[in-house]
Amino acid sequence: DQQVKQNSPSLSVQEGRISILNCDYTNSMFDYFLWYKKYPAEGPTFLISISSIKDKNEDGRFTVFLNKSAKHLSLHIVPSQPGDSAVYFCAASARETSGSRLTFGEGTQLTVNP
Amino acid sequence: EPEVTQTPSHQVTQMGQEVILRCVPISNHLYFYWYRQILGQKVEFLVSFYNNEISEKSEIFDDQFSVERPDGSNFTLKIRSTKLEDSAMYFCASLQGALIGAQYFGPGTRLTVL
Repeated sequence: DQQVKQNSPSLSVQEGRISILNCDYTNSMFDYFLWYKKYPAEGPTFLISISSIKDKNEDGRFTVFLNKSAKHLSLHIVPSQPGDSAVYFCAASARETSGSRLTFGEGTQLTVNP
Repeated sequence: EPEVTQTPSHQVTQMGQEVILRCVPISNHLYFYWYRQILGQKVEFLVSFYNNEISEKSEIFDDQFSVERPDGSNFTLKIRSTKLEDSAMYFCASLQGALIGAQYFGPGTRLTVL
């Protein structure tokens, strides 16, 4: 199942700099997108979401951008902090055709170095 | 802050045995889900549950799996006859409203089938 893809398994940035995590999708029916953060031995923690009627949503240090024509979304974290080090998953749902089931990407391990 | 809880945190069982994984969703949420993550793989949707019935299930959710909401607070996943390939982290999630919004995940149950 390659409907949601995160091509970078890992990303390393310096504290204070911007982290950009990317996600691509293939299913044009997806209309709601979410980012989750996951620490080892814990469940995914919701970060931020965006509906397909928007192209940007911001919440504090986190901003999600959606480019529907490219079927691409990204999560920007600025400034990055060491506590942001975790695995980040993007997820998508197609509420009209498949209810609210989430389809996840593989995840990207973000490491923020002090 | 309300959270989804899951018990046990780790379950070890012999192949062919029945297991029941338990979840307490956030109290005012209406939609409930089970997902699983096999080691090294993506988080995968299993089943969604609304209004005391299954609303959607994946191809993984075969006759060996069942879900139940036995009372006003618990949500359970039963695997009747476990296989080695059922070894995974199982996450419960809940959603407050009508298919819009973030699903909130529990910490997971690690199931090990020997």
